[in-house]
Amino acid sequence: QLVLTQSPSASASLGASVKLTCTLSSGHSSYAIAWHQQQPEKGPRYLMKLKSDGSHSKGDGIPDRFSGSSSGAERYLTISSLQSEDEADYYCQTWGTGIRVFGGGTKLTVL
Amino acid sequence: EVQLVESGGGLVQPGGSLRLSCAASGFTFSSYEMNWVRQAPGKGLEWVSYISSVGSTIYYADSVKGRFTISRDNAKNSLYLQMNSLRAEDTAVYYCAKNNWNDPLDYWGQGTLVTVSS
Repeated sequence: QLVLTQSPSASASLGASVKLTCTLSSGHSSYAIAWHQQQPEKGPRYLMKLKSDGSHSKGDGIPDRFSGSSSGAERYLTISSLQSEDEADYYCQTWGTGIRVFGGGTKLTVL
Repeated sequence: EVQLVESGGGLVQPGGSLRLSCAASGFTFSSYEMNWVRQAPGKGLEWVSYISSVGSTIYYADSVKGRFTISRDNAKNSLYLQMNSLRAEDTAVYYCAKNNWNDPLDYWGQGTLVTVSS
């Protein structure tokens, strides 16, 4: 079964960097994923597509501060030079024939 | 500029029906796959349904199969979700989102709230 696992919460200081993790279920380590950001009271926003080899392509207008990387079944979103507007929920998402799957989301707090 | 604008949400009693619409602009609607995704209050994102660019392939989450029907009108650049036999657990903000073939969802609407309550 295709499942994505995320830590429920993370925190980091203003101006620092943070690395969020999304883990693919067993047998699905080759899958690409996407990262989406949802700021409070807003709809989700697509950040990037991230492949198993770590290559990634970002959505329109996404700052260079956002980057992605991969290792095995883990997919990472790194946000550098944290700003207050980065405080949001971050969801990973993948897809297969007949299905789209979301992780449970990570709530990022900027201290 | 890509725009997806949902409408049709509201308050409905359990067992009732509602039809959501999503108006698309800023891209060639007929070339893209479309999805409905929902978010219950205080909860995460849940994929609901998918339709291919020409409407020939459709998928549903198990939680809505047999009750919801997705459709599209490429001439009107519009996506629809007919929701029947609504339950309290269907209460959520419903988003439409597009994707290219074998790619993730890359644009989202702002959502429309559906509340199922007596």
